[in-house]
Amino acid sequence: EAGVAQSPRYKIIEKRQSVAFWCNPISGHATLYWYQQILGQGPKLLIQFQNNGVVDDSQLPKDRFSAERLKGVDSTLKIQPAKLEDSAVYLCASSSSLSPETQYFGPGTRLLVL
Amino acid sequence: GDSVTQMEGPVTLSEEAFLTINCTYTATGYPSLFWYVQYPGEGLQLLLKATKADDKGSNKGFEATYRKETTSFHLEKGSVQVSDSAVYFCALREWNTGNQFYFGTGTSLTVIP
Repeated sequence: EAGVAQSPRYKIIEKRQSVAFWCNPISGHATLYWYQQILGQGPKLLIQFQNNGVVDDSQLPKDRFSAERLKGVDSTLKIQPAKLEDSAVYLCASSSSLSPETQYFGPGTRLLVL
Repeated sequence: GDSVTQMEGPVTLSEEAFLTINCTYTATGYPSLFWYVQYPGEGLQLLLKATKADDKGSNKGFEATYRKETTSFHLEKGSVQVSDSAVYFCALREWNTGNQFYFGTGTSLTVIP
């Protein structure tokens, strides 16, 4: 079974630029999560999708961050415009309806904003 | 609100030493508790979980017992190996607060031969 795929693995941009991250969850997993992990901290949930609907986006900075999962499969997270404090690893995870408590994480995208 | 507190790192142990990584939690209801591990250069992986009080999760020689009376879920291993070097995250998920996962800050473990 293929795991959660993310791309790119690394991205360096200047502040005020835009950036997008892509995630393809494990096949058949209805729930998809985006987390932000700042160096030295634990992952913080940004947004959770159930199929193509948003379940929780209470911690997503909506003035600059957006995410979509149009067909209920892969997802894109965008930052526009980026700030220095957005430098972090962005993790995507997915879980199935049969075992919703078990999340499978992708390798993450490491973003550096200069 | 819900939160997880884990012991500060980094932790350095010799091979075959006993490991304890402390984790306590704050929750309004009855959460499920997890330990995730992140090996160097890899994504987070579920190590073990417990879904109700007094449950013991175990995997790869690691154990943790869900203690409601002390709101704790400490991770233990009797004899660590060099390959256990990683960052360990304690986490909780509470169904009556939107099913969101809350992670601790992580504890880095280095095992030296």
